[in-house]
Amino acid sequence: GAVVSQHPSWVICKSGTSVKIECRSLDFQATTMFWYRQFPKQSLMLMATSNEGSKATYEQGVEKDKFLINHASLTLSTLTVTSAHPEDSSFYICSAREPSGDVKQYFGPGTRLTVT
Amino acid sequence: GQNIDQPTEMTATEGAIVQINCTYQTSGFNGLFWYQQHAGEAPTFLSYNVLDGLEEKGRFSSFLSRSKGYSYLLLKELQMKDSASYLCAVMDSNYQLIWGAGTKLIIKP
Repeated sequence: GAVVSQHPSWVICKSGTSVKIECRSLDFQATTMFWYRQFPKQSLMLMATSNEGSKATYEQGVEKDKFLINHASLTLSTLTVTSAHPEDSSFYICSAREPSGDVKQYFGPGTRLTVT
Repeated sequence: GQNIDQPTEMTATEGAIVQINCTYQTSGFNGLFWYQQHAGEAPTFLSYNVLDGLEEKGRFSSFLSRSKGYSYLLLKELQMKDSASYLCAVMDSNYQLIWGAGTKLIIKP
């Protein structure tokens, strides 16, 4: 089956610094990737949809200048949390969809970000 | 607006059967998904229903009624490892997933 990886699996950073999270589709090419955030005991919240070779589409309320998304290749999308604050601490999960038309999303293992 | 409703928490006994319900109101419908999520982990795919009826896959079955905006996930022969959150998600007319808040299932011995 389709496999999606994320790196790092967890990261601790200081307020004001930037953190980059990578999402890779390992055995398929993903024209579309999704970035989610999940706070404790809450459901997934879609942050943005990342399309290879074009600008990401951000959901309402998500600051595009704070959460920079780059989908430069068919197997890699990156999310950079800029000038991180403690309230950005969360579980960030990416998912990808195969270009074959399969509507199923395959999730990465997630990245736990803690901002001190 | 778009809305997915599912119970917040359910408790069941090992070896028993449990049914987790999900009702939805969305702009368009392109299928309903059930995902399992263990604490601290990413969701894993369980089922996808786009037509009415019951889909069976081992101990797990999923049912859909589009006219009623209703689905359920049925788990049989419950095992302790089934303790997790179960997320219902509907794909709307824009092929975006609308997520429910999840149902935390607690299995007791």
